[in-house]
Amino acid sequence: QQQVKQSPQSLIVQKGGISIINCAYENTAFDYFPWYQQFPGKGPALLIAIRPDVSEKKEGRFTISFNKSAKQFSLHIMDSQPGDSATYFCAASGGGSFQKLVFGTGTRLLVSP
Amino acid sequence: DAGITQSPRHKVTETGTPVTLRCHQTENHRYMYWYRQDPGHGLRLIHYSYGVKDTDKGEVSDGYSVSRSKTEDFLLTLESATSSQTSVYFCATGQGTEKLFFGSGTQLSVL
Repeated sequence: QQQVKQSPQSLIVQKGGISIINCAYENTAFDYFPWYQQFPGKGPALLIAIRPDVSEKKEGRFTISFNKSAKQFSLHIMDSQPGDSATYFCAASGGGSFQKLVFGTGTRLLVSP
Repeated sequence: DAGITQSPRHKVTETGTPVTLRCHQTENHRYMYWYRQDPGHGLRLIHYSYGVKDTDKGEVSDGYSVSRSKTEDFLLTLESATSSQTSVYFCATGQGTEKLFFGSGTQLSVL
């Protein structure tokens, strides 16, 4: 049972374009939604995160959009660069006495020069 | 990688043999986690620790055990490795779940 559903599985974007990755969740107790970026041969690293009290968070070229009523959140990468080519994971946590992170299945992004 | 060292980085073993993976951190983080990464499944939590000798199961804990005798070390043991445990294993640490720091992973192949 996948608690966080991520799409697409892979994505090819031209340099300068916008990359969009979507995630959906079911557990309304989730209250923390991070995105992790992973380069080949490396472990994931926290990229950006959002809480449900805001609908959008921007850090440089990376933006999270959050729709609480639809239980969806997405990552937008503006002006995508070849260096952004990586695998991106959405995740969620919240509820209970210990908030374990649950990850999506990942999106492999390739930004073509 | 925030002072997280995983060893070994690569291992090939045979079905039925015991395997131990080690995670060592220098950040003095309270929480430590073991994840496995498989295509189509993303990262799945195997076990985690919230303090020395305090551990609990994650979503895919069958066939795995862990131990944490010191703050800095978290061991993952496959008592009798199976081919389904071929995977990339990541250790992560953090003060909670709000920001996890991951190691570089261990590629395990069970033949």
